[in-house]
Amino acid sequence: ELKVEQNPLFLSMQEGKNYTIYCNYSTTSDRLYWYRQDPGKSLESLFVLLSNGAVKQEGRLMASLDTKARLSTLHITAAVHDLSATYFCAVALTGTASKLTFGTGTRLQVTL
Amino acid sequence: EPEVTQTPSHQVTQMGQEVILRCVPISNHLYFYWYRQILGQKVEFLVSFYNNEISEKSEIFDDQFSVERPDGSNFTLKIRSTKLEDSAMYFCASNLRTNEKLFFGSGTQLSVL
Repeated sequence: ELKVEQNPLFLSMQEGKNYTIYCNYSTTSDRLYWYRQDPGKSLESLFVLLSNGAVKQEGRLMASLDTKARLSTLHITAAVHDLSATYFCAVALTGTASKLTFGTGTRLQVTL
Repeated sequence: EPEVTQTPSHQVTQMGQEVILRCVPISNHLYFYWYRQILGQKVEFLVSFYNNEISEKSEIFDDQFSVERPDGSNFTLKIRSTKLEDSAMYFCASNLRTNEKLFFGSGTQLSVL
């Protein structure tokens, strides 16, 4: 059974600071996704990472994937209040279509 | 930007009743999904659908659940006899290829009383 763990579960950070969210998964995967969810809202796709060493950046967010370590990171640079949300990683098992197993989520709160 | 639309946004039903949740995926997408999220918990996969048949389903998706694509645009999730534990936000999603991002709808909040 695929298990996906994120840490931390909750992160409070000041504006302007940097931080990293970690996503570990238990078995071989060929796709890893990062999503953002605002309270009461849907899931917004941030990144799709398809290969070992993949790195993608959008604004203040950068995601990377190490398939050998079964680890993905979401790095936040110079956080701003608008980034406050819950961030989920999700993993698809190799050979499956898009049956994603989601992590527990990291609730990010950026304070002024 | 094209989007996945879901109706209704909220559905309240009595235990044992049937509900149908409706979704219109993005028009050129080929793969369709239902996920759910119980309040405060992580998102859980229910079912994937391709070429008019279920391609994968989870343990949650038992005989009480069914999906259908009745025409070229709608994708529905039916729960035959709802239970209290079915209360959750149900998200529909779609994509063109399985290695691309999933586009999620805004969800249907189902409350079973």
